Amino acid sequence: GAVVSQHPSRVICKSGTSVKIECRSLDFQATTMFWYRQFPKQSLMLMATSNEGSKATYEQGVEKDKFLINHASLTLSTLTVTSAHPEDSSFYICSARVGTANSPLHFGNGTRLTVT
Amino acid sequence: GQSLEQPSEVTAVEGAIVQINCTYQTSGFYGLSWYQQHDGGAPTFLSYNALDGLEETGRFSSFLSRSDSYGYLLLQELQMKDSASYFCAVRDRGGATNKLIFGTGTLLAVQP
Repeated sequence: GAVVSQHPSRVICKSGTSVKIECRSLDFQATTMFWYRQFPKQSLMLMATSNEGSKATYEQGVEKDKFLINHASLTLSTLTVTSAHPEDSSFYICSARVGTANSPLHFGNGTRLTVT
Repeated sequence: GQSLEQPSEVTAVEGAIVQINCTYQTSGFYGLSWYQQHDGGAPTFLSYNALDGLEETGRFSSFLSRSDSYGYLLLQELQMKDSASYFCAVRDRGGATNKLIFGTGTLLAVQP
């Protein structure tokens, strides 16, 4: 089945630094990937839709200059959390869809970000 | 916009049957999905209902009533490994992104 690989699984960084998270589709091409954020015991909140070869589409309230998304190839999307602050500490998960719009999303294993 | 409401927690015993409800309000409707997420893990797809009625996949079944804006996930013969969070989700066909919006989530605890 379709596999989405996300790296790193865990990262701890100091406040003010930037962190890059990679999301790869291993056995399929993904023109669109979705980035979600999840706080403890809460739902998955869509942050942005990553589009290969064009600008990402951000959800309302998500700062595009803080959460930089690059989708430079059909198998790789990256999310960079810039100037991280403790409140950015969260679980970040990417996902992609294979096939039609009705097809299920395949998720990466997520990245646990802790900003100290 | 969309909103999907679920009970926050459900507790049941091994071997029992449990139903997790989902009520939704959406500007358009393009099917209801269910995902399972174990603590700290990735969500995994369980089922999808585009039309009214019951869809069965092994021990899991999912039901949809579009007129009531309501669906549920039914888990039978509960096992300890079913302890997880369950999310309903709807597809937002706004624009060309077909993004998926998730419900509030239900934490299922299966007890021996």
